[in-house]
Amino acid sequence: DAKTTQPNSMESNEEEPVHLPCNHSTISGTDYIHWYRQLPSQGPEYVIHGLTSNVNNRMASLAIAEDRKSSTLILHRATLRDAAVYYCILSEAGGTSYGKLTFGQGTILTVHP
Amino acid sequence: DVKVTQSSRYLVKRTGEKVFLECVQDMDHENMFWYRQDPGLGLRLIYFSYDVKMKEKGDIPEGYSVSREKKERFSLILESASTNQTSMYLCASSHPRNEKLFFGSGTQLSVL
Repeated sequence: DAKTTQPNSMESNEEEPVHLPCNHSTISGTDYIHWYRQLPSQGPEYVIHGLTSNVNNRMASLAIAEDRKSSTLILHRATLRDAAVYYCILSEAGGTSYGKLTFGQGTILTVHP
Repeated sequence: DVKVTQSSRYLVKRTGEKVFLECVQDMDHENMFWYRQDPGLGLRLIYFSYDVKMKEKGDIPEGYSVSREKKERFSLILESASTNQTSMYLCASSHPRNEKLFFGSGTQLSVL
């Protein structure tokens, strides 16, 4: 499985934008880039995913580098409720993957009031 | 709201006991997964199932088995619990054409 590299931790202030980086230099052409986050005492929750183009949804934006070797999750205005562990994950589309994802250590995001 | 429900939030068992962890989803998903989460090791996949009565080993299946008799229910079984199986267990489900995983809240299992 292609691996991802994320910083162990990041800090932000409330109401400021947050850019969470992820490196995936061995990504293959069919790998999707997924982001999940895990709030304290909860299971992970889906944030966003994409293949080549930048993606936006109500939670966040995903910016994917042109060579796809890195991506950035953007939280436009951080709130205290965004404090969580953020996971960047690669997955194969279809085939025998059955949607299984391999989670790394993630980035612990701290948001200061 | 879509839901993945795990039967217990906290569970305490003794070494050697047979332990059942139950997971039910109400989204008619084909795929279901069991992960365990440990400090410093992250989430690791134990088993997954892509259809009723089908199962596939994940990365750490040793000491575990699973059962999928109905589409909505996926059970994780510890045949003889050991202390190194003390962990947070997370169940998830997904639709095969939509790779979005939905997770339950987890079961914190302590084996004494």
